[in-house]
Amino acid sequence: AQTVTQSQPEMSVQEAETVTLSCTYDTSESDYYLFWYKQPPSRQMILVIRQEAYKQQNATENRFSVNFQKAAKSFSLKISDSQLGDAAMYFCAYRRDDSNYQLIWGAGTKLIIKP
Amino acid sequence: NAGVTQTPKFQVLKTGQSMTLQCAQDMNHNSMYWYRQDPGMGLRLIYYSASEGTTDKGEVPNGYNVSRLNKREFSLRLESAAPSQTSVYFCASSVRTESYEQYFGPGTRLTVT
Repeated sequence: AQTVTQSQPEMSVQEAETVTLSCTYDTSESDYYLFWYKQPPSRQMILVIRQEAYKQQNATENRFSVNFQKAAKSFSLKISDSQLGDAAMYFCAYRRDDSNYQLIWGAGTKLIIKP
Repeated sequence: NAGVTQTPKFQVLKTGQSMTLQCAQDMNHNSMYWYRQDPGMGLRLIYYSASEGTTDKGEVPNGYNVSRLNKREFSLRLESAAPSQTSVYFCASSVRTESYEQYFGPGTRLTVT
């Protein structure tokens, strides 16, 4: 069975600096999707970025980028120029690229931004 | 655009009571989902509905029932609430089950005493 592990329960970063959140996953599949979701205090989950496993190029969305290491089964999220509004829980999720559409979620990392 | 709405936002139940959590989306999405979120754990899928008229079990369906009332609405029912069902419940929707992105509601915090 697929599993997703986020080993950092909490991270903190100074405003304007860069922080990297870690995620590892376990799968025997070759085709799949990986996601980072943000959950601010309002509780609403928001998709930050996604990566297709068949793409070698790392996904980027403005200040958010990933380091996808398929062989190592690692999918870290880098946030550059951290802003106060980035403070939230961040969840890594995995989805198989077949008829099983279930998302497998990590336990989350709480990101604290220090002003 | 309201997106995905859930009612109620908070609820306290006594063991054995029943209740229904309501979810509606106005994005004309085909697929809808119910998750629960417990402290220190990721979201876990309870039930999902790939399209109007269909429902399927997820990872943790025991103790719950669902109804896909129409394309917009997907309700989650607890027939006899137990303390183990204390959690935050999220509804989500997507264009199709194959779609990359799921859009989430604000959640319902349920406490069962």
